[in-house]
Amino acid sequence: TQLLEQSPQFLSIQEGENLTVYCNSSSVFSSLQWYRQEPGEGPVLLVTVVTGGEVKKLKRLTFQFGDARKDSSLHITAAQPGDTGLYLCAGGETSGSRLTFGEGTQLTVNP
Amino acid sequence: GAVVSQHPSRVICKSGTSVKIECRSLDFQATTMFWYRQFPKKSLMLMATSNEGSKATYEQGVEKDKFLINHASLTLSTLTVTSAHPEDSSFYICSARDPFAGGYEQYFGPGTRLTVT
Repeated sequence: TQLLEQSPQFLSIQEGENLTVYCNSSSVFSSLQWYRQEPGEGPVLLVTVVTGGEVKKLKRLTFQFGDARKDSSLHITAAQPGDTGLYLCAGGETSGSRLTFGEGTQLTVNP
Repeated sequence: GAVVSQHPSRVICKSGTSVKIECRSLDFQATTMFWYRQFPKKSLMLMATSNEGSKATYEQGVEKDKFLINHASLTLSTLTVTSAHPEDSSFYICSARDPFAGGYEQYFGPGTRLTVT
């Protein structure tokens, strides 16, 4: 069974600070997705990375897939209160397969 | 982008009754849909994989007779919680995969909050 360890589980920071969320596994994934979820809603896809070493940027968010495709990170620059939410990483073994989810990171950005 | 809807968004039922939750892919056909359960401030727990035209594949520990899944068309999967009990109260979320959009991503519905009294 593939496992994804996500850290930290909880993060409370002030507006303007930077932060990084990590997702690690001993298994190799063919793809890694990052989602953001707000209370009472479904997760919303932020990005998909499929190539080892790949870096993708989405405004103030930077996503990286490890060279060996076993780990990933999400870096947020100058966090804003609107970034508050549950961030989830999810790995796929193959295209179309089930996803393995990390435990999630609950981010709170205080004004 | 791919849109997935769920109905109802909230449901309250009495213990012992059954509740059906619908999951629809609105702008694409989904041969595979997934059903998850989520507890407060926790990650998603996969319950089952729903395949159009065939039986669902349940995860270990999930009772298939209690959580009935039907995927009768390429745009609709249903989850029926039978003989519901208070411990079944949870947030249920479905997702669907668009096979013509790379195949890696899953697109999630908005979730259904089930409360069993």
